[in-house]
Amino acid sequence: QSVLTQPPSVSAAPGQTVTISCSGSSSDIGSNYVSWYQQFPGTAPKLLIYDNDKRPSGIPDRFSGSKSGTSATLGITGLQTGDEADYYCGTWDSSLSGGVFGGGTKLSVL
Amino acid sequence: QVQLVQSGTEVKKPGASVKVSCQASGYTFTNYGIYWVRQAPGQGLELMGWISAYNDHTNYVQTLQGRVTMTTDASTDTAYLELRSLKSDDTAVYYCARGGVRRGSCSGGRCRVLADYWGQGALVTVSS
Repeated sequence: QSVLTQPPSVSAAPGQTVTISCSGSSSDIGSNYVSWYQQFPGTAPKLLIYDNDKRPSGIPDRFSGSKSGTSATLGITGLQTGDEADYYCGTWDSSLSGGVFGGGTKLSVL
Repeated sequence: QVQLVQSGTEVKKPGASVKVSCQASGYTFTNYGIYWVRQAPGQGLELMGWISAYNDHTNYVQTLQGRVTMTTDASTDTAYLELRSLKSDDTAVYYCARGGVRRGSCSGGRCRVLADYWGQGALVTVSS
């Protein structure tokens, strides 16, 4: 069972906006930075968002991140069928003195 | 361009050991660290630990303590993951990813997991 809680699945229609939540505690999300990763089946994860809301070079601005208290959110606007993937949040857990990932969320674009 | 190239598929029997390699290119190896992350079939990502390629400091997840060793070889820009006393539930794809050079990659009192480049993964199957 993951330290960080994500919904197992979310879905939305093409062109719509979707948000994926990541819930933690004061020792992880509450006091550290959050990153988000996108993973297509059979491939390695890819960094989407780091330090709560920063996008690496090459990541479209349709992807955004935010953090409030002990929760973080990944937002995707203008959904495309090519966004269908698994999404994971990650952060440092100060009580474990180690990094942790959420359980992942499967995005379906209907 | 940054690349991490991992060794190939392994099939091991329970109780055996496995060593997975991750060769880096396109950046100064000793300026960063390496995360090791595994993913069991149909499951999520599990962060196994991290090693600094600068000073070989390590940080292992508690559940693997005593069975896992992470090392680096700066002469070949390669990181290694060794997992011993293999069990069937160690069957997974093992990924390396580039991380910070210091444990937790902390700044301003806040730390992070920032895995910005990933290897292609190495499937390890444990079966009798």
